[in-house]
Amino acid sequence: GENVEQHPSTLSVQEGDSAVIKCTYSDSASNYFPWYKQELGKGPQLIIDIRSNVGEKKDQRIAVTLNKTAKHFSLHITETQPEDSAVYFCAALYSGGGADGLTFGKGTHLIIQP
Amino acid sequence: KAGVTQTPRYLIKTRGQQVTLSCSPISGHRSVSWYQQTPGQGLQFLFEYFSETQRNKGNFPGRFSGRQFSNSRSEMNVSTLELGDSALYLCASSLRSGLAGANVLTFGAGSRLTVL
Repeated sequence: GENVEQHPSTLSVQEGDSAVIKCTYSDSASNYFPWYKQELGKGPQLIIDIRSNVGEKKDQRIAVTLNKTAKHFSLHITETQPEDSAVYFCAALYSGGGADGLTFGKGTHLIIQP
Repeated sequence: KAGVTQTPRYLIKTRGQQVTLSCSPISGHRSVSWYQQTPGQGLQFLFEYFSETQRNKGNFPGRFSGRQFSNSRSEMNVSTLELGDSALYLCASSLRSGLAGANVLTFGAGSRLTVL
């Protein structure tokens, strides 16, 4: 099945700076890569996603890039704000007819320092 | 429109007992997936139901089961609870089955189960 590695596990940045979270996946058949944000006491919330036929996608301060050859994808948050503090998860969906659902990375705790 | 609703939000059980968790998906969504979230293992896929049929199943023992009703509401059951079953159980709904490919999941807030 698919395996997703996520780094770093904790990231602390100054308010206004950029944050980058990186993930790698193992199965080249994976074709959908969503990113979720989870705040304390809440379920994960989709913030952006990318499909394998696209190299980059942007939504205001958030962008995701995908390198299919290297099998890695990254989340970029610019001009970070206090409300960006949360745990972020990357995920990959294997399209080979397997039964694994979404495979998630272990998460990155993003801390925005005032 | 209402989001994904999970009940109960918190519950405490003892080893050997069984538990049933409920999930009401977003109106119009026919797929319901369940995930287990723990600090050590992160988010792990349990199973997915679509149109009352289990379409997808993760690597969990048979003590974990589920079902879906004709109104798309879903329940999951864990029998003979073990200490290691303590976790946040998340339900997510989507329009289509995950087997159909890229599919946006909307998660509920979860049911936090503590096994003593």
